[in-house]
Amino acid sequence: NAGVTQTPKFQVLKTGQSMTLQCAQDMNHEYMSWYRQDPGMGLRLIHYSVGAGITDQGEVPNGYNVSRSTTEDFPLRLLSAAPSQTSVYFCASSNLRAKGNEQFFGPGTRLTVL
Amino acid sequence: GNSVTQMEGPVTLSEEAFLTINCTYTATGYPSLFWYVQYPGEGLQLLLKATKADDKGSNKGFEATYRKETTSFHLEKGSVQVSDSAVYFCALTDSSASKIIFGSGTRLSIRP
Repeated sequence: NAGVTQTPKFQVLKTGQSMTLQCAQDMNHEYMSWYRQDPGMGLRLIHYSVGAGITDQGEVPNGYNVSRSTTEDFPLRLLSAAPSQTSVYFCASSNLRAKGNEQFFGPGTRLTVL
Repeated sequence: GNSVTQMEGPVTLSEEAFLTINCTYTATGYPSLFWYVQYPGEGLQLLLKATKADDKGSNKGFEATYRKETTSFHLEKGSVQVSDSAVYFCALTDSSASKIIFGSGTRLSIRP
């Protein structure tokens, strides 16, 4: 199993550009989520999904869109990048049905918006 | 609502010192509790977990006991190594397990 994969690892954007961060998992997990991590801060939840076709907002959803057309994929779209979106982005997945379910994290995408 | 509070860092220790990182939580019902570790340049990975009161999670010499009476899940290690330098996150999932809530993280640095 590859686990949770994210692409790209690094990205530089100009203000106003759009892009999609890719996330895929091969563990058949229902639950997937996106976090951002800023220096000196913990993880903040952006969006999450409890299954294909179902998404919901987290703590900091503004400026981001998600979709979940398949169990495996959960892309994060930045519609019009802003310098405030400079951060490291992590995707995670887990099996909702298991008590004490562990979240598996991808390696992260480091995004810089100029 | 549910929340996790952990001690602020950074924490700097000498090699072979005893480590405690405090974590307390607020939750209804019976949450599951976790410690995750993030090594430099990497994503988070599970270090240990406990799913019910009085359970002890352990891994790589680290331990934490689920204390419902004090709503705590403190992380301990008897003798830290330089390789333990990382950021440690305490977390919980509620009874529905639909979300995981993280503490703010504690950066640990170990001096040789």
